[in-house]
Amino acid sequence: ETGVTQTPRHLVMGMTNKKSLKCEQHLGHNAMYWYKQSAKKPLELMFVYSLEERVENNSVPSRFSPECPNSSHLFLHLHTLQPEDSALYLCASSQARVGGNTIYFGEGSWLTVV
Amino acid sequence: AQSVSQHNHHVILSEAASLELGCNYSYGGTVNLFWYVQYPGQHLQLLLKYFSGDPLVKGIKGFEAEFIKSKFSFNLRKPSVQWSDTAEYFCAVTKPGGKLIFGQGTELSVKP
Repeated sequence: ETGVTQTPRHLVMGMTNKKSLKCEQHLGHNAMYWYKQSAKKPLELMFVYSLEERVENNSVPSRFSPECPNSSHLFLHLHTLQPEDSALYLCASSQARVGGNTIYFGEGSWLTVV
Repeated sequence: AQSVSQHNHHVILSEAASLELGCNYSYGGTVNLFWYVQYPGQHLQLLLKYFSGDPLVKGIKGFEAEFIKSKFSFNLRKPSVQWSDTAEYFCAVTKPGGKLIFGQGTELSVKP
């Protein structure tokens, strides 16, 4: 059981499609994240939202567009993706605090671009 | 560039063997250190963390890790592994208030 819920768990989309990944956290946290997990590569941080404002965009292509309407929800809008974008996309949340914070992850959304 | 290195990509052990997974980082100064575990088909879960205090940290399921500042290391250990420990293990490091940087992960396979 995780306090961070992601939907859909699996998504197959064509390169011309537009789709969205959804994330919801039930932990009362004030920061949310999108990570990309590709095979044999380190987890890559994509976006960080703190208090619903984007505070980091880690050089992610514009075909990925995040949205954070409130502190509990985070979306990743996808359009005109490439096959190399196929990966596990992980949402996470944390309570930002001085001295350090622990990040809690969702189960991930497996994305296949065909 | 700041980085986190996990020396072993795939470790294969028999049940009851002892485990040590290496993790080194390249940050200077104060760091927060984490080990996360991802069991097959499940989400990333926190195994243990170090913020300050005793450098020997106890985590869930009998895991522990030791922070050695002089070696920039945070190795994960377990005296006796079980088949259920089969998973991928990720070391992660952050400066306080900074972003979390992950290592490449180590896949652990425990043979019954």
